[in-house]
Amino acid sequence: GEDVEQSLFLSVREGDSSVINCTYTDSSSTYLYWYKQEPGAGLQLLTYIFSNMDMKQDQRLTVLLNKKDKHLSLRIADTQTGDSAIYFCAESGGAGGSYIPTFGRGTSLIVHP
Amino acid sequence: DTGVSQDPRHKITKRGQNVTFRCDPISEHNRLYWYRQTLGQGPEFLTYFQNEAQLEKSRLLSDRFSAERPKGSFSTLEIQRTEQGDSAMYLCASSPTGREDSPLHFGNGTRLTVT
Repeated sequence: GEDVEQSLFLSVREGDSSVINCTYTDSSSTYLYWYKQEPGAGLQLLTYIFSNMDMKQDQRLTVLLNKKDKHLSLRIADTQTGDSAIYFCAESGGAGGSYIPTFGRGTSLIVHP
Repeated sequence: DTGVSQDPRHKITKRGQNVTFRCDPISEHNRLYWYRQTLGQGPEFLTYFQNEAQLEKSRLLSDRFSAERPKGSFSTLEIQRTEQGDSAMYLCASSPTGREDSPLHFGNGTRLTVT
């Protein structure tokens, strides 16, 4: 079955760049997503990338996709304390084409002043 | 506010009681999803509707769980004979049909505590 793996914690200083990594197992994944979750809230979509792309940039966010290695990363430039949250990687569109996203366990980003 | 709305935000119940949660999706979205999230985990898929049709159910959705979307608008998720292991955040999400890449829009969830 599908599996999405992420490291659990990342700690950075304010102003530095953050890089959150994700690996997935389903080579037929079509869409890959990054969501952000703040305490007590639901998930907020940050960005997503189609599998025929290798990079997508949106303001401070850069997504890199290495389809051969099934590796996805999210880079946050000039990280701010307000970026502290849990970041979830998700994939969909794999075997069977159900397009129901499968999520990783989330990476908790802690930004120090 | 035209986002996904869930009610209640919090529910505390005693083991063995039944509970029901409600989700109102974004009005033009035909697809509605239920996920469950436990502490330290990502959301796990439970079930999904396209309009009023329940198209897929996860093996996590035991026979004590039932979801409905009778008119293709709001949805309810009922848990009968609750167990402590049912304690979790129940997340609802919606997306429009027609495009497989339409990302899910989530509500703020209902946090269930079974004592």
